[in-house]
Amino acid sequence: DQQVKQNSPSLSVQEGRISILNCDYTNSMFDYFLWYKKYPAEGPTFLISISSIKDKNEDGRFTVFLNKSAKHLSLHIVPSQPGDSAVYFCAASGFSGSRLTFGEGTQLTVNP
Amino acid sequence: EADIYQTPRYLVIGTGKKITLECSQTMGHDKMYWYQQDPGMELHLIHYSYGVNSTEKGDLSSESTVSRIRTEHFPLTLESARPSHTSQYLCASSERGYQETQYFGPGTRLLVL
Repeated sequence: DQQVKQNSPSLSVQEGRISILNCDYTNSMFDYFLWYKKYPAEGPTFLISISSIKDKNEDGRFTVFLNKSAKHLSLHIVPSQPGDSAVYFCAASGFSGSRLTFGEGTQLTVNP
Repeated sequence: EADIYQTPRYLVIGTGKKITLECSQTMGHDKMYWYQQDPGMELHLIHYSYGVNSTEKGDLSSESTVSRIRTEHFPLTLESARPSHTSQYLCASSERGYQETQYFGPGTRLLVL
């Protein structure tokens, strides 16, 4: 039972354009959502998070949007840079305390 | 910026060997976690600890064991490595609180021949 799903395994965008990564969840008890970025053979790096009491959170080039009614969140990166090329994981927590449930990841490729 | 360290970064070992993967954090975090990740797959929680002398199994069954004798140290041990243990092992930590963020170490890539 996959409670957090990232339906796009890969995404390719041009440098300078917007990257939009999507994530859906099924468990209404989740109340905290995070995005991580991961390079091959390295650990995930925390990017940005959002609490369920908000619908938007911004940090520089990164913005996360949360639509609770649709159980959907998205990460916007603008402008995209070649160094953003990595696998992006969304994760959620809530009913089980701090334990995180991860999606499968989306490989973002930003072309120069 | 998180200060969490894992050694070794890469390990190639033969079947049947005992291995210990080290994880240390200098942030004083109470909570620590071990995840296993295969390429193209999500991260699976295999062990976690909410403090010294506290360890629990995670969502994914694992033949590994862990210990938490000191707050900063959370080693993972495989008594007898097998090829099916080949994977990336990721350690993370977080503060005690509500809606905590987990910070990850660089990971250990394990290859069992």
